[in-house]
Amino acid sequence: DAGITQSPRHKVTETGTPVTLRCHQTENHRYMYWYRQDPGHGLRLIHYSYGVKDTDKGEVSDGYSVSRSKTEDFLLTLESATSSQTSVYFCATGTSGGADTQYFGPGTRLTVL
Amino acid sequence: QKEVEQNSGPLSVPEGAIASLNCTYSDRGSQSFFWYRQYSGKSPELIMSIYSNGDKEDGRFTAQLNKASQYVSLLIRDSQPSDSATYLCAVTNYGGSQGNLIFGKGTKLSVKP
Repeated sequence: DAGITQSPRHKVTETGTPVTLRCHQTENHRYMYWYRQDPGHGLRLIHYSYGVKDTDKGEVSDGYSVSRSKTEDFLLTLESATSSQTSVYFCATGTSGGADTQYFGPGTRLTVL
Repeated sequence: QKEVEQNSGPLSVPEGAIASLNCTYSDRGSQSFFWYRQYSGKSPELIMSIYSNGDKEDGRFTAQLNKASQYVSLLIRDSQPSDSATYLCAVTNYGGSQGNLIFGKGTKLSVKP
């Protein structure tokens, strides 16, 4: 395992509230990713980071922001949660970008009421 | 829109049989291909990676790649009930500032004792 933890593992929140999910890795991997997984859509990339303070948008970035101030931590923020953001969120890490294996964290189940 | 297509299944095979999982991709420039296994309620884990045309074997698993046909497959020999899971095909996408993975929606495999 790549030593990836996510917190919280489960969260229920209300529409309009901000939510921050945390991903922490102990493998010193350069790349970190946030995905969401929904039935019928599979895994979709939200944002990714290729170094400290270096981030870029993925396929479904609207309504989300990220920050990476340390190699080991990658934060995903839902600025104003909506019901459409109810999903399972996975963090992943890798050493060499898209050509490299990605290692996934255990996931966070988020419910927005 | 770059896509990765998989038959959603479920694919049902008897124990001891060969399970064949297929994936097609739209980006002819893709160079790296991955198969992940995901048990229900768990995170994806890497099964196989393949980068060159032909076959790559690892234990009971064989990945096959045909770049001309834009086709990658995973064969599982001597299937076991413990192989019952959803199998995700992932392909490198070189859009954006860094290469990332695009995932198919997954094929659900059921191995019957």
